[in-house]
Amino acid sequence: DVKVTQSSRYLVKRTGEKVFLECVQDMDHENMFWYRQDPGLGLRLIYFSYDVKMKEKGDIPEGYSVSREKKERFSLILESASTNQTSMYLCASSLGDRGTIYFGEGSWLTVV
Amino acid sequence: KNEVEQSPQNLTAQEGEFITINCSYSVGISALHWLQQHPGGGIVSLFMLSSGKKKHGRLIATINIQEKHSSLHITASHPRDSAVYICAPFQGGSEKLVFGKGTKLTVNP
Repeated sequence: DVKVTQSSRYLVKRTGEKVFLECVQDMDHENMFWYRQDPGLGLRLIYFSYDVKMKEKGDIPEGYSVSREKKERFSLILESASTNQTSMYLCASSLGDRGTIYFGEGSWLTVV
Repeated sequence: KNEVEQSPQNLTAQEGEFITINCSYSVGISALHWLQQHPGGGIVSLFMLSSGKKKHGRLIATINIQEKHSSLHITASHPRDSAVYICAPFQGGSEKLVFGKGTKLTVNP
């Protein structure tokens, strides 16, 4: 079975801290995604990567950056965390050509 | 304007009932996912379909690309089916998904 693993399930960070959310997939998928999910707003795409070192902005990239140095790992970085980045973050991966998508369990981030 | 509209937003059913969740989208698509999210956050893809109908156990999904409409049906619903169901078409010709706001289903015993 495909597994998408997010390193942290629950985090509490202070305003201004740099935050790293890590995601690893074990099925050699080309595509990896970071989403955030907020009540009433649904899932929104932050960044997308279709290959190592390649990235594309999603709908809400402001305040975030990403890194994909290896195919299996896609990191989301909050350069200076703010309270409006309190949310649930979901990582996902898929094979190319619009394949089935697989999600991680989610990371609940609270910024205080 | 949301490109993906799901109905109903909330649905409460008794165990054993037949459930239908509808999804309409305004963008041209080639395929879409139906996703299930249980409390606690994890999301799984139930179906990815580009035409016709697919069936897994008690779940059936249909899509009509020309009419820009898809439905998810659950036969003989069970309390363990209680979850949020999300329709997610692929955006244009890309690998990115557009998400509906979800339908929260509660099945009572």
